[in-house]
Amino acid sequence: DTAVSQTPKYLVTQMGNDKSIKCEQNLGHDTMYWYKQDSKKFLKIMFSYNNKELIINETVPNRFSPKSPDKAHLNLHINSLELGDSAVYFCASSQVTFFSGNTIYFGEGSWLTVV
Amino acid sequence: DQQVKQNSPSLSVQEGRISILNCDYTNSMFDYFLWYKKYPAEGPTFLISISSIKDKNEDGRFTVFLNKSAKHLSLHIVPSQPGDSAVYFCAASLQGAQKLVFGQGTRLTINP
Repeated sequence: DTAVSQTPKYLVTQMGNDKSIKCEQNLGHDTMYWYKQDSKKFLKIMFSYNNKELIINETVPNRFSPKSPDKAHLNLHINSLELGDSAVYFCASSQVTFFSGNTIYFGEGSWLTVV
Repeated sequence: DQQVKQNSPSLSVQEGRISILNCDYTNSMFDYFLWYKKYPAEGPTFLISISSIKDKNEDGRFTVFLNKSAKHLSLHIVPSQPGDSAVYFCAASLQGAQKLVFGQGTRLTINP
């Protein structure tokens, strides 16, 4: 069973479209994250949610809207896609109670290409 | 402003030899440091970590060294094996911040 699963794995779409990436974790964790790996390969946090509540929002454009219907799911919706949104998006989760970094589990990534 | 940097984008090592991956950071408030390993088309997976109160942590073939005065950490893999070929990310966390700050990764290739 995949601990953190995200779909779709690959997405090619045109500028201006709206798209969503879904994420689910079956680890019973309280906290979920979205990270973005940009063209320079840095992994940067975008959002984190704890029990459906937004706790970190790292100066991400308003076009990006995370939604957490329950603590096992954190979806990422992107409006009016731009070329610069092309990246790999990683979902992750952790049990915040024990957070010391080593309990963050990542999904396989979603490769978004905007053309 | 990148607080965690891995200045070597790639490293090639012969099988059986030691691999040394380096990482520098700028924020002296980081309290925990980690190494993640990533294979192609997969997400990063945790490898080894070290608290800022220690200077060395060892787990099998993997050892992480922390030099706080130099704001530098390194990952040693010995002996290196072909399965170690992957991208290695250095990461750091701030107490209570509940997030990791990553470097840009170093691609390690182990040659037979």
